[in-house]
Amino acid sequence: DTGVSQDPRHKITKRGQNVTFRCDPISEHNRLYWYRQTLGQGPEFLTYFQNEAQLEKSRLLSDRFSAERPKGSFSTLEIQRTEQGDSAMYLCASSPPGTSDEQYFGPGTRLTVT
Amino acid sequence: ILNVEQSPQSLHVQEGDSTNFTCSFPSSNFYALHWYRWETAKSPEALFVMTLNGDEKKKGRISATLNTKEGYSYLYIKGSQPEDSATYLCAFSNYQLIWGAGTKLIIKP
Repeated sequence: DTGVSQDPRHKITKRGQNVTFRCDPISEHNRLYWYRQTLGQGPEFLTYFQNEAQLEKSRLLSDRFSAERPKGSFSTLEIQRTEQGDSAMYLCASSPPGTSDEQYFGPGTRLTVT
Repeated sequence: ILNVEQSPQSLHVQEGDSTNFTCSFPSSNFYALHWYRWETAKSPEALFVMTLNGDEKKKGRISATLNTKEGYSYLYIKGSQPEDSATYLCAFSNYQLIWGAGTKLIIKP
């Protein structure tokens, strides 16, 4: 399978714990995006990488959220001191080099904070 | 703040009927308009990318039109089938994608 993959698919954690999600984009794609999606809403932009550089970060993202893409390939999204409001689907998408902004999505990681 | 609106929020359609729904977006600084289909437990799947005013795109029984001057796009599904049941998302692009909340389509057999 050469699509975008995310791990884990589901995560249940207790409030206050830290969680980390991983995204593996399509191999030749240099752009990578993280989104959060809650019930009844469209995907909400969190952050964007071009290669290893984090070029954009939503001002809605609190300091508890951090993302990395150290080698310009896979990316991790960490949430520290999770809160119940962090419960959501976390989507990763990637795009190839060039001017097209069509994005290819992974299956998402569903986070439940209890 | 850029806002993308989709209507209706949800839609129940009898199998075999045709249907359509709307995406409204800012008409200034337009770059592209995307339509995605998101089936439960699957990844969002790109349907169309539309860039030019008056664009019409078609894929099988699904088609879309674009009016960038007034800031709307319509998605049409002809002869709905149960496999069309999904959430249909549109996203407006300037330098990043701004997403609508989606239209949840349920096809009744």
